Amino acid sequence: GESVGLHLPTLSVQEGDNSIINCAYSNSASDYFIWYKQESGKGPQFIIDIRSNMDKRQGQRVTVLLNKTVKHLSLQIAATQPGDSAVYFCAERGNNAGNMLTFGGGTRLMVKP
Amino acid sequence: GAVVSQHPSWVICKSGTSVKIECRSLDFQATTMFWYRQFPKQSLMLMATSNEGSKATYEQGVEKDKFLINHASLTLSTLTVTSAHPEDSSFYICSARGGRVVGEQFFGPGTRLTVL
Repeated sequence: GESVGLHLPTLSVQEGDNSIINCAYSNSASDYFIWYKQESGKGPQFIIDIRSNMDKRQGQRVTVLLNKTVKHLSLQIAATQPGDSAVYFCAERGNNAGNMLTFGGGTRLMVKP
Repeated sequence: GAVVSQHPSWVICKSGTSVKIECRSLDFQATTMFWYRQFPKQSLMLMATSNEGSKATYEQGVEKDKFLINHASLTLSTLTVTSAHPEDSSFYICSARGGRVVGEQFFGPGTRLTVL
């Protein structure tokens, strides 16, 4: 079946450095991608999204890059802060009537002070 | 805006009992609600999709008779775990769709279920 996965389960960075979290997806028909942040014991929190007709989108300190050729998605966090420590999930919305989201496996980001 | 709440946030129960979890959209009408299950250190797995006033659509492998979903109004969906067993212990998260941004899902804070 279709799947969304991540390359790195854990990423440890120094405070102030930039972080890059990667995600591979396999459903070429997916038209919408979202990055979520999940802190321990809480629900996912929307960070940034991107549609398949774009290859880059920037937010506040975050940038999402989409490479449809290799079906790869990345989240870049600039000047990583301790408050960024969490698990990050990418999610794709396939071309289905229910607009369901499929989540990747998650990457834990640990920010060292 | 677009706030989703869940109740309870944490529940501990004995094996064999049934547990009801509520998901509410507080400031918008949710035409569709989704229920996810998340085991420790794992990703969210979609259990079912429910549309207001109709039967829920369950994902493959999810027992509809064990996980009863009711979406009786545009602001409330409930998930009942019937005859819960320790293997049902998990983090249950709902999301709702129907806010101002078409297609966007808003997630609740989750409910941690521990079955002894």
